[in-house]
Amino acid sequence: GAVVSQHPSWVICKSGTSVKIECRSLDFQATTMFWYRQFPKQSLMLMATSNEGSKATYEQGVEKDKFLINHASLTLSTLTVTSAHPEDSSFYICSAYPGGGTEAFFGQGTRLTVV
Amino acid sequence: KQEVTQIPAALSVPEGENLVLNCSFTDSAIYNLQWFRQDPGKGLTSLLLIQSSQREQTSGRLNASLDKSSGRSTLYIAASQPGDSATYLCAVSSGGYNKLIFGAGTRLAVHP
Repeated sequence: GAVVSQHPSWVICKSGTSVKIECRSLDFQATTMFWYRQFPKQSLMLMATSNEGSKATYEQGVEKDKFLINHASLTLSTLTVTSAHPEDSSFYICSAYPGGGTEAFFGQGTRLTVV
Repeated sequence: KQEVTQIPAALSVPEGENLVLNCSFTDSAIYNLQWFRQDPGKGLTSLLLIQSSQREQTSGRLNASLDKSSGRSTLYIAASQPGDSATYLCAVSSGGYNKLIFGAGTRLAVHP
């Protein structure tokens, strides 16, 4: 199956700093990438949809100025959590969609802890 | 607004049992339905994908069915093993292809 690499797998940062998470499709081009977050013992919630070369579409309730998404190429999307606070601590996971009616493929996730 | 519900929330069974996990969704206008496995602290492993025009998919000991009109899917696990212990997530593609709406999951524990 197709491989999606997410980096870093875990990160600890101080409150007020920014953190960048990368999502790469290694063996296919992704027309669309999705970003999800998951709180402990809860399900995944879609945060935003990003298409290469255009602005991301954010789900209701997700602050676009806090969660900056850049999809600069067909193989890379980044999520930057700006001015992180402890309540942003969560598991963030991306998925990449190759198009053509296939399924999307998921990265391994990033555990963010803000202290 | 699409909502996905999974029952039961947790399940503990002895090794060798056959299991049925349930998933229901409120809006039948879906592109597809997927079942995933998630191990603690890990990402998702796709188990089965059922397109909206299909009724079921099988992979090894896993069989998933889809009844779109009633908004239901089941994941059948045959001859469960301790290695099957994980959280199983159901997700429907709704409001855009591969824009997935997830259920809360079923936490499965299979003990020897």
